[in-house]
Amino acid sequence: DQQVKQNSPSLSVQEGRISILNCDYTNSMFDYFLWYKKYPAEGPTFLISISSIKDKNEDGRFTVFLNKSAKHLSLHIVPSQPGDSAVYFCAASHFANTGNQFYFGTGTSLTVIP
Amino acid sequence: KAGVTQTPRYLIKTRGQQVTLSCSPISGHRSVSWYQQTPGQGLQFLFEYFSETQRNKGNFPGRFSGRQFSNSRSEMNVSTLELGDSALYLCASSTGTDQPQHFGDGTRLSIL
Repeated sequence: DQQVKQNSPSLSVQEGRISILNCDYTNSMFDYFLWYKKYPAEGPTFLISISSIKDKNEDGRFTVFLNKSAKHLSLHIVPSQPGDSAVYFCAASHFANTGNQFYFGTGTSLTVIP
Repeated sequence: KAGVTQTPRYLIKTRGQQVTLSCSPISGHRSVSWYQQTPGQGLQFLFEYFSETQRNKGNFPGRFSGRQFSNSRSEMNVSTLELGDSALYLCASSTGTDQPQHFGDGTRLSIL
């Protein structure tokens, strides 16, 4: 049962434009969310996180938005750069866990066209 | 600061064999998690260790096991390998609960 879903396997965006990557989750207990970026032949790299007490978190060109009522989060990249081309994973967990158990989506492959 | 190190990077085995993968976490990180990544399935959680104790376990058969040593290094073992075990196995470490995990580059396991 996939508790975190990324319904768009791929996305193409022109350089300089905004990239919006979406993620939906089903477990209302989730209260900590993260985005990772993955290049081929490398492990995922942590990008940005948000806890459920917030609805927005920014870090440079990256902003994550959380809509708890819709169980939806999104990652905005502005402006998009060719180096942003990678696979992006969203992940979620909840504090009730006894430890670290993150649930990952299946990823969205972003291509930024120069 | 050295990152998460996984060895070996690539491994080829045949059905029925067993395999041991190794992970050295970032210095100071006591939590180590293991994931399996297959095409179209994303990252599937295997288990998490903290201070040599398994704290969480995903929905994988008992053929998948792990352990953590006193220096936080961790190993994952898969016995009686099946073709479906071919995957990228990723290790991640963190300082504690609900902190970002930092991943190694993975071990690519191929079963012939």
